[in-house]
Amino acid sequence: DSGVTQTPKHLITATGQRVTLRCSPRSGDLSVYWYQQSLDQGLQFLIQYYNGEERAKGNILERFSAQQFPDLHSELNLSSLELGDSALYFCASSVGASGGATETQYFGPGTRLLVL
Amino acid sequence: AQSVTQPDIHITVSEGASLELRCNYSYGATPYLFWYVQSPGQGLQLLLKYFSGDTLVQGIKGFEAEFKRSQSSFNLRKPSVHWSDAAEYFCAVGRDQGGKLIFGQGTELSVKP
Repeated sequence: DSGVTQTPKHLITATGQRVTLRCSPRSGDLSVYWYQQSLDQGLQFLIQYYNGEERAKGNILERFSAQQFPDLHSELNLSSLELGDSALYFCASSVGASGGATETQYFGPGTRLLVL
Repeated sequence: AQSVTQPDIHITVSEGASLELRCNYSYGATPYLFWYVQSPGQGLQLLLKYFSGDTLVQGIKGFEAEFKRSQSSFNLRKPSVHWSDAAEYFCAVGRDQGGKLIFGQGTELSVKP
């Protein structure tokens, strides 16, 4: 158990809908990262928040947005969903801001999204 | 641009046999390298990491990896595979600017009894 929690575990929705994925980082971690894992794209970095501020951005679609709240939990909002958005969405956390360098990112169990 | 290549999509080994999973990276500066394992229905668990220093890195579950700068490789090894090692293994490289991890496509490991 990494200490990172994600809800829900599974989500089934229809095209055009909007969903919110939630992540709680490990206790004491200030950074939250979102990744998308799909069969065709593999594991792709979406976005990082550090202590409430956006820190780094990856291949995140304009239909997707995220935020980190004062209690450090984060939400990933996916809107106008398309079939191709079906994927496993991971959240990870790290203590500081440089989780891609000298820090370790700890991953949650993921939320599996199915868009029908 | 940074990239990570795992040449083997799927590997099958017999239980008790040795294992080597290949990882090649492309990165202009000092790489920060990681191996993660993903069991079915689970998240990613860190096996080991290399930041600097000794190029042979020991990890959990009996895994080790060797950083070879001249070959741009960070191969994962285990001397004797157990059936519980069947999973998907991801190599990743981190940057010294920003928190992004770049992952390879993964290698799926099957273990024969």
